[in-house]
Amino acid sequence: ETGVTQSPTHLIKTRGQQVTLRCSSQSGHNTVSWYQQALGQGPQFIFQYYREEENGRGNFPPRFSGLQFPNYSSELNVNALELDDSALYLCASSPQTGGNRAFFGQGTRLTVV
Amino acid sequence: DQQVKQNSPSLSVQEGRISILNCDYTNSMFDYFLWYKKYPAEGPTFLISISSIKDKNEDGRFTVFLNKSAKHLSLHIVPSQPGDSAVYFCAASAKAGNNRKLIWGLGTSLAVNP
Repeated sequence: ETGVTQSPTHLIKTRGQQVTLRCSSQSGHNTVSWYQQALGQGPQFIFQYYREEENGRGNFPPRFSGLQFPNYSSELNVNALELDDSALYLCASSPQTGGNRAFFGQGTRLTVV
Repeated sequence: DQQVKQNSPSLSVQEGRISILNCDYTNSMFDYFLWYKKYPAEGPTFLISISSIKDKNEDGRFTVFLNKSAKHLSLHIVPSQPGDSAVYFCAASAKAGNNRKLIWGLGTSLAVNP
């Protein structure tokens, strides 16, 4: 059983640029959630995807968007990067929407300069 | 508005003693609570959970207690080991339609000293 994997592990971008982060969900999991964790904070829910459709969204602007593919892998896209977008981005998969336990990847550390 | 609060940013405990990590919540709709452990440069890993219909759940050295009337839960680690040193996050969830998301506290950094 493969775990949740995220790529890249580290990334440096310039303010105003766009970034795409990728996540492969754990085998058999059809639900993927994305979280942003700023330094010294707990993870904040960005959005969740279930069977290729957005299934809930947190308090993030529209420049944060996502995709889920037929194999349940997912992308997080952020446009017009701002300095405050610098954070650890975590992907979590779970076996079903409405399920309680989520399994996390190691995260992508994004730095915006 | 922090719905899940971990008021102690750090805790230091001697090896072999008990570690008690606390968590308070404000949303009475939360019906499931989880504790995650996070090492630097790794994603959070699930530790233990408890449903709101229970007041205690135990798994080896880890026990979670839930006091619904006080909207408080705690994680007990007995005996504490140096490998337990990590950041511990309390998370809560409530079902909203077909969606369930986790609301997280800010974390408590536990240091277990040999």
